[in-house]
Formats: sequence, C-alpha cells, structure tokens
Amino acid sequence: NAGVTQTPKFQVLKTGQSMTLQCAQDMNHEYMSWYRQDPGMGLRLIHYSVGAGITDQGEVPNGYNVSRSTTEDFPLRLLSAAPSQTSVYFCASSYGEGRSSGNTIYFGEGSWLTVV
Amino acid sequence: GDSVTQMEGPVTLSEEAFLTINCTYTATGYPSLFWYVQYPGEGLQLLLKATKADDKGSNKGFEATYRKETTSFHLEKGSVQVSDSAVYFCALSGRYGGATNKLIFGTGTLLAVQP
Repeated sequence: NAGVTQTPKFQVLKTGQSMTLQCAQDMNHEYMSWYRQDPGMGLRLIHYSVGAGITDQGEVPNGYNVSRSTTEDFPLRLLSAAPSQTSVYFCASSYGEGRSSGNTIYFGEGSWLTVV
Repeated sequence: GDSVTQMEGPVTLSEEAFLTINCTYTATGYPSLFWYVQYPGEGLQLLLKATKADDKGSNKGFEATYRKETTSFHLEKGSVQVSDSAVYFCALSGRYGGATNKLIFGTGTLLAVQP
C-alpha cells in the first residue's frame, strides 16, 4: 500500500530558484492538500483541492502554485524560492464529504526543503 | 476562526510514568478531533480520532475523550515507553473556504521519555 507519496524527501535550493514538490496518492481520494511545518507553529495549510481541476488557497499560499490535473497527483510549485520557505512540507489526502471515513486524513512522509 | 491550543513542551517523563497532554479547541459547529504523532525524521501518523461528543478514541494504549462541555481532547497514556518519544499534534477538522475536511493543528508537544 503506497498511500501518499512525496518526492523529493530532501532538497536544497538557492534563493530565486524554482522547483516542484511532487505528491501522489493511490487511494482515489478526492481531497488533497499541502501543509508546511515550522517550529512552534504546527502545520499550516498552503493550498488544497477538492477534486481534479479544482484548487483553492489555504492559510499561507503566497509564493506557491498548485494544479490538479488528475485525481492522483497534486504538485506544489515554488516559483522563486526564498529563505522564508525553508520548511518541512507535507502532502495529505482524504475522501470527500459524505463518506463514512471522510474525516481521516492521510499524510505523506514529508519533504525537507532548505533555501539558502 | 477555528483554533487548537495544546500544552507547550517539551514534556519529559520517566518510563512507565503517566502521560497527559492537554488540548483545547475553539470551533463553530461539531468538528472531528484528532491526535497525530510524528516520530523523529518521519511524517505524521494518525494516532486516534473522535468524531462526536463523548466519543473516546484509543490506539496503542493512548486515549482521548471528546469533551464538548469543556472543549477539550486531552491525550492520556497510563504507562509511557521510550518508543513513545515523539511530537504529538492535536488537530480538528474545520471549515475553510466553505469546505470541510481541512485540519487545523495545534503547535505540537514534544514528548521525551527517559529509560
């Protein structure tokens, strides 16, 4: 069972570079989302998607883009990396509303990003 | 808006000690409540959950009861082990942008268990 798969696990970027964090899930979940984890702040929602072709902003969307062309994939793009984006990024997925297990959210293992 | 407040750590205990990590929440409606655990260098794993008032979630010896009257979801374990050392996050599924199923997290509590 693959679950939620994120790549890469570790990445070092220079300020101004762009990159994409990949996320894929094999559970046919409608909902996918990206969080960032920073010390003392817990996890904060960056962007989310309620289905293929539909995305929306979360709490801290600036500097990030997402797209959802398929149900399985939800990549997160850093347009021009800044040191403030040094963080651990988690992708998550779940079924949509109305399912009996709809409230269980599954996380990937995280991507550690450092911007220098 | 919805929010979660959990006790700050680190919490340092000896093996076999009793553990309580406090968590309170503010939310409109009736959110589901969760505890997630993050072991060193790993991602988040769902530890337990409760979906309505008075529900008790339990897993691996950990328990938490959804208390609507006190808006709390405290995590407890009767006898901790060194292997329980991790960061514990309390979370609720709140509404964001009109859609549910989004998690709002507390800041996390580091638990360190010494042999």
